[in-house]
Amino acid sequence: AQSVTQPDIHITVSEGASLELRCNYSYGATPYLFWYVQSPGQGLQLLLKYFSGDTLVQGIKGFEAEFKRSQSSFNLRKPSVHWSDAAEYFCAVGAYGNEKLTFGTGTRLTIIP
Amino acid sequence: EPEVTQTPSHQVTQMGQEVILRCVPISNHLYFYWYRQILGQKVEFLVSFYNNEISEKSEIFDDQFSVERPDGSNFTLKIRSTKLEDSAMYFCASTQNINTEAFFGQGTRLTVV
Repeated sequence: AQSVTQPDIHITVSEGASLELRCNYSYGATPYLFWYVQSPGQGLQLLLKYFSGDTLVQGIKGFEAEFKRSQSSFNLRKPSVHWSDAAEYFCAVGAYGNEKLTFGTGTRLTIIP
Repeated sequence: EPEVTQTPSHQVTQMGQEVILRCVPISNHLYFYWYRQILGQKVEFLVSFYNNEISEKSEIFDDQFSVERPDGSNFTLKIRSTKLEDSAMYFCASTQNINTEAFFGQGTRLTVV
């Protein structure tokens, strides 16, 4: 069965600093990987996804993520965070495309001035 | 921008009562999903629906749950006899196909008392 681990429950970063959110997955075949963001009172918004091809994927809002098969990781990065990036971030894995996504427990990001 | 709409945003119901959560997916989407998130826990897959039938369901989706697309626009989740442990945020999602972005609604918070 597929699973996702997000080891950091809460991260605090200064505005303008770089960010890396960790995600490790477990899946027997090539995974479909996603990062979603959830702002308070909002639904889940897709930041980026990896299906195949280039292992470095670019997403919206200046985010990127790198798929590393050898480490079973799909970490999310942003070179310079903005106060509006404060939200909950979820990593997810799918067996085939969007079907039956398995989510991690999420990482809450706090931005300090 | 097209969006998935869920109603109500918050529903309180008594244990044992039936509840119907409603979703209006994006109009040209063909795949529909329900997920739930118990407070403080992961987002969990419940069911996927395509071509007017369930294509996948999780072990959570037992006989107390059912889904329906009654009129070609709404997509509903019915819980026949609610239990306290059904209290959660329920998210509806839709996508055009399994390889394109899944759009999530803002969720319905269900509280069973």
